[in-house]
Amino acid sequence: NAGVTQTPKFQVLKTGQSMTLQCAQDMNHEYMSWYRQDPGMGLRLIHYSVGAGITDQGEVPNGYNVSRSTTEDFPLRLLSAAPSQTSVYFCASSWKREFYEQYFGPGTRLTVT
Amino acid sequence: RKEVEQDPGPFNVPEGATVAFNCTYSNSASQSFFWYRQDCRKEPKLLMSVYSSGNEDGRFTAQLNRASQYISLLIRDSKLSDSATYLCVVNAGGYNKLIFGAGTRLAVHP
Repeated sequence: NAGVTQTPKFQVLKTGQSMTLQCAQDMNHEYMSWYRQDPGMGLRLIHYSVGAGITDQGEVPNGYNVSRSTTEDFPLRLLSAAPSQTSVYFCASSWKREFYEQYFGPGTRLTVT
Repeated sequence: RKEVEQDPGPFNVPEGATVAFNCTYSNSASQSFFWYRQDCRKEPKLLMSVYSSGNEDGRFTAQLNRASQYISLLIRDSKLSDSATYLCVVNAGGYNKLIFGAGTRLAVHP
């Protein structure tokens, strides 16, 4: 049981480049979410999904897209990277009824230059 | 004003000490409350839920004060392994209303 996996662990992008952060879970959780964590700030919700085919915006969705074609996968796409998107990105999953108990992946450290 | 505020610390305590953290929240409609733990450069993990009546899990006790809109975490008999950042988390209802505080850092020394 791998839990929540994220790739890559580290990434450096140039301004304007696009990329996809991968997230997968093998716990059959309905709820999945993406957060970013910046120094001195709490985790902030970017996008979330309550099931395959359903996604919605969180607190800071601008500049990011998501899709949920399967229960297991929830990729996050950066459309045109900006230095303000330098951050640590965490994917999480949980049961829908207990979405507060989130299981986080190990994170992706992204630097945009 | 941040929705969830915590003292960033660090709280430096010796092994065996008792330490307490507070967290305040601004949304009076908040419904449920939690503490997560995050080790350095790792992912957060749920430590415990906070119930209206308070709850205890071994050396950890969490309390809620709705009137003053704060929650607390008390750690007794601190261990070196308790060194981490403790995140206060508040849910004001809905899947997009789980708000994380920036965390309080605890460092336990021998």
